[in-house]
Amino acid sequence: GAGVSQSPSNKVTEKGKDVELRCDPISGHTALYWYRQRLGQGLEFLIYFQGNSAPDKSGLPSDRFSAERTGESVSTLTIQRTQQEDSAVYLCASSLTIGSGVEAFFGQGTRLTVV
Amino acid sequence: GQQLNQSPQSMFIQEGEDVSMNCTSSSIFNTWLWYKQEPGEGPVLLIALYKAGELTSNGRLTAQFGITRKDSFLNISASIPSDVGIYFCAGLYAGNNRKLIWGLGTSLAVNP
Repeated sequence: GAGVSQSPSNKVTEKGKDVELRCDPISGHTALYWYRQRLGQGLEFLIYFQGNSAPDKSGLPSDRFSAERTGESVSTLTIQRTQQEDSAVYLCASSLTIGSGVEAFFGQGTRLTVV
Repeated sequence: GQQLNQSPQSMFIQEGEDVSMNCTSSSIFNTWLWYKQEPGEGPVLLIALYKAGELTSNGRLTAQFGITRKDSFLNISASIPSDVGIYFCAGLYAGNNRKLIWGLGTSLAVNP
């Protein structure tokens, strides 16, 4: 597709279960970001991938959070042993980061509810 | 880590009024971006700025890259109800030219 695609759009899970969120970036975009957004709050940086470089994981809130990306393709964000405080919208964005193409384009997000 | 200070945090205005919001940093930035987020959606890019002093318009929106490279402004003229949303600034600063840094957003409400 032409834009960033995230799936699922909504996820309800029981506390303690693991969840996996998927992001399909725009084709050719070398950079990919994951953010968390709690209700009424700003964007909380989680992790950043740039090509084949080591990812910047400085925003991951705990070791229950992990993310993977193979090359410049799909990325998955995994949350293990979910807790109610993990409930939020998880946004993915991609960008070119070549020359002036640093603008990030966002998916519609995955709304995660932990019950 | 590096942060952007975005203000005001929220605004409630009458339709037709002009709006101004800004982002500031203690560090020098090379790029400033302004986004709008509507309920249930991801942020959408409004304006991108690449040079100090640059002034760019997108319809009723105008943004400026501050001459000191430490701030940026977004103005909305003659606001309409569909301007409602959260406006975010983001930038690349000289110390890390590859990862975007974000403001916390300005929530705008417009009274018809």
